[in-house]
Amino acid sequence: EAGVAQSPRYKIIEKRQSVAFWCNPISGHATLYWYQQILGQGPKLLIQFQNNGVVDDSQLPKDRFSAERLKGVDSTLKIQPAKLEDSAVYLCASSPSGPGEQYFGPGTRLTVT
Amino acid sequence: RKEVEQDPGPFNVPEGATVAFNCTYSNSASQSFFWYRQDCRKEPKLLMSVYSSGNEDGRFTAQLNRASQYISLLIRDSKLSDSATYLCVVNKGANNLFFGTGTRLTVIP
Repeated sequence: EAGVAQSPRYKIIEKRQSVAFWCNPISGHATLYWYQQILGQGPKLLIQFQNNGVVDDSQLPKDRFSAERLKGVDSTLKIQPAKLEDSAVYLCASSPSGPGEQYFGPGTRLTVT
Repeated sequence: RKEVEQDPGPFNVPEGATVAFNCTYSNSASQSFFWYRQDCRKEPKLLMSVYSSGNEDGRFTAQLNRASQYISLLIRDSKLSDSATYLCVVNKGANNLFFGTGTRLTVIP
């Protein structure tokens, strides 16, 4: 079974630029998550989708971050404009409906200079 | 107060040693609990769920104490391959997971 796919794997941008990340979850998984993991910290949930609806985006900095999940499958996370403190690994995860294991993609490592 | 708190370590232990990690959580309504493992520059992966009655998987034992709101992970007979960061994870419901900062373990030959 294919895992969660993410691209790009690495991205370096200057502050105030824009960036977008893409995620393709495991086939059939209804729930999709975006996490931000800053070096030395655990992953922090940014947004959770159930199919194509948002379940929780309380920790998403909405002034600069946006995310969508078209047709309840792939998802994109965008940052516009980026700040230095956005440097982190952005992890996408998916899970079947209901509580249980989340499967993570390899992440996108973002460096903002 | 953080949702989940862990000692970041690092824990440096010799091969064959037994090591234990604890984690506390703040929300008494938390529904389910997990330990995830994260290797350096890799994504987190589920190590084991934590059940109220405690559970064991080979050399790994997880315990939950709801009254004191803490979770533990015990690793017996440590192997070099156990070197990783261990993330304590709490599910508050709707599959909304809160991750601790992780405890780094290094097993030394």
